[in-house]
Amino acid sequence: NAGVMQNPRHLVRRRGQEARLRCSPMKGHSHVYWYRQLPEEGLKFMVYLQKENIIDESGMPKERFSAEFPKEGPSILRIQQVVRGDSAAYFCASSPRDQNAEAFFGQGTRLTVV
Amino acid sequence: RKEVEQDPGPFNVPEGATVAFNCTYSNSASQSFFWYRQDCRKEPKLLMSVYSSGNEDGRFTAQLNRASQYISLLIRDSKLSDSATYLCGGYNKLIFGAGTRLAVHP
Repeated sequence: NAGVMQNPRHLVRRRGQEARLRCSPMKGHSHVYWYRQLPEEGLKFMVYLQKENIIDESGMPKERFSAEFPKEGPSILRIQQVVRGDSAAYFCASSPRDQNAEAFFGQGTRLTVV
Repeated sequence: RKEVEQDPGPFNVPEGATVAFNCTYSNSASQSFFWYRQDCRKEPKLLMSVYSSGNEDGRFTAQLNRASQYISLLIRDSKLSDSATYLCGGYNKLIFGAGTRLAVHP
């Protein structure tokens, strides 16, 4: 049973381009969480999704950022018109259900905006 | 007030020492809590789950105090390999504290 898979592991984008980060949850997991982490800082919650539904996006910036988790395929975190301040590690985690369920993390995508 | 708060440390302890971290939470509706360990530039890995009053796994003990809304992690007989950042997380929507750094030295 493969773990949570994120790709790409490293992504370099020029200012103004779009970044697409993918997260394939563990088999049987239908809940996905996305986090952003700056160097020497903690995990900042961004969005919580179930299949085809956004449950909580209170941590998402209001502009340029969007997330989806379609019925088929991975969850996607999309950042439009990237700026230097978007450079960070983006982690996703998946769990089989919401409350009281252990969540497991992918290895993260390190986004660098140049 | 942040939903989950931790002392950032760092805690510098010698090998063999016992060290304890506390984590406080503000959402009294939170049902379950977790401790994760994160090594530098790696993904967080689940260390322990805390569903009721506590949990013990070898040298690690986690306790939950719902009345005071805090969770603790106790590490006994610290090893050099325990050096990492320890993240406390709670539902709902799985929010984490900023993490507590532990450095174990010879």
